[in-house]
Amino acid sequence: LAKTTQPISMDSYEGQEVNITCSHNNIATNDYITWYQQFPSQGPRFIIQGYKTKVTNEVASLFIPADRKSSTLSLPRVSLSDTAVYYCLVGPLGDKLIFGTGTRLQVFP
Amino acid sequence: EPEVTQTPSHQVTQMGQEVILRCVPISNHLYFYWYRQILGQKVEFLVSFYNNEISEKSEIFDDQFSVERPDGSNFTLKIRSTKLEDSAMYFCASRNRGFNQPQHFGDGTRLSIL
Repeated sequence: LAKTTQPISMDSYEGQEVNITCSHNNIATNDYITWYQQFPSQGPRFIIQGYKTKVTNEVASLFIPADRKSSTLSLPRVSLSDTAVYYCLVGPLGDKLIFGTGTRLQVFP
Repeated sequence: EPEVTQTPSHQVTQMGQEVILRCVPISNHLYFYWYRQILGQKVEFLVSFYNNEISEKSEIFDDQFSVERPDGSNFTLKIRSTKLEDSAMYFCASRNRGFNQPQHFGDGTRLSIL
């Protein structure tokens, strides 16, 4: 399974756009990129997933370059409630999820 | 929006006792999972379950662990003889048919072994 590397923590202010980049140099052809969010004492919550180029939903955008060796989760105009841990996961769809340590995002007023 | 629900939210048990953690997956989902998260550590895969049998299990899921889908709605994780190191948050997840369907997690059961 592809190993992922993402920043341990990031700080932002309300209203700003936040971009969290994840490196996955040994991503396999059948691997997808999935992002989850986790608040304290809650289960991980699915945000977005993609294979290549750009994916957008009502919550976030996911940018994946052509070589797929990295991906960037973009959160537009964050609020205090976006303070959470964000996980980048890489693997075949439908398979078990392998979580790393994630990126702890702190949003300040 | 449909949710995965887990009960109890917190379970305190004496070491050596059996414990059963309960989950109600989203109603039309077909694939079920258990994960755990020891305080301050990563979320770890335990087991996946489909068509009334285990699809895959991790090294953590030893003979002390078992899973069951006793009826059409519940999915349970049993730990036969709990150890102190079993203290963790246990998360149930489910997903629908279709290879691109994401896993949806419950909010977990905090298991404390004394």
